[in-house]
Amino acid sequence: AQTVTQSQPEMSVQEAETVTLSCTYDTSESDYYLFWYKQPPSRQMILVIRQEAYKQQNATENRFSVNFQKAAKSFSLKISDSQLGDAAMYFCAYEATDSGYALNFGKGTSLLVTP
Amino acid sequence: GAVVSQHPSRVICKSGTSVKIECRSLDFQATTMFWYRQFPKQSLMLMATSNEGSKATYEQGVEKDKFLINHASLTLSTLTVTSAHPEDSSFYICSAHWGDLPEQFFGPGTRLTVL
Repeated sequence: AQTVTQSQPEMSVQEAETVTLSCTYDTSESDYYLFWYKQPPSRQMILVIRQEAYKQQNATENRFSVNFQKAAKSFSLKISDSQLGDAAMYFCAYEATDSGYALNFGKGTSLLVTP
Repeated sequence: GAVVSQHPSRVICKSGTSVKIECRSLDFQATTMFWYRQFPKQSLMLMATSNEGSKATYEQGVEKDKFLINHASLTLSTLTVTSAHPEDSSFYICSAHWGDLPEQFFGPGTRLTVL
């Protein structure tokens, strides 16, 4: 079974600064998807960014970007110009292409943004 | 687009009663729906996967007779917690998948409290 590890239970960043959240995963598959989801206090899961394993180029969505290191099985999320609204739980998730779209989540990182 | 609703958003019931939670895809037809449980300060744990018109596939350790899932149409899946007990109190989240995109779209969740 694939495992997803988020080694940072909590992180803190000052407004306008940059923060990086770590995620590693274990798999024997060569083709898969990786995601970062955000869960604010409302508890609504929001897709932040997606990365296809076959793509070498790191995904970017506005202030959010990833550093995908396939050989190292690492998938970190960088948030630039942090805003107060970025405060939330962030979950890294893995999906095998033959899994029927089932997601395997990490334990999450709680991000605090200070003014 | 890709909106998923859940009803009710919050329910309180007495021990021994059954509770039904509905999950609807509002603007698309969901080929697959997923049910997750999330305990406080923990990650999402997949309970089961359901496809329209077929029996749900339950994850190991999830009692299928206690957590009844019905996927009657491409836009509706229901989770019934039968003979609920206080330990079933949790946050239940559904998600739906459609088309060729790998990501899931999540409902807002249902907070179940069993007294």
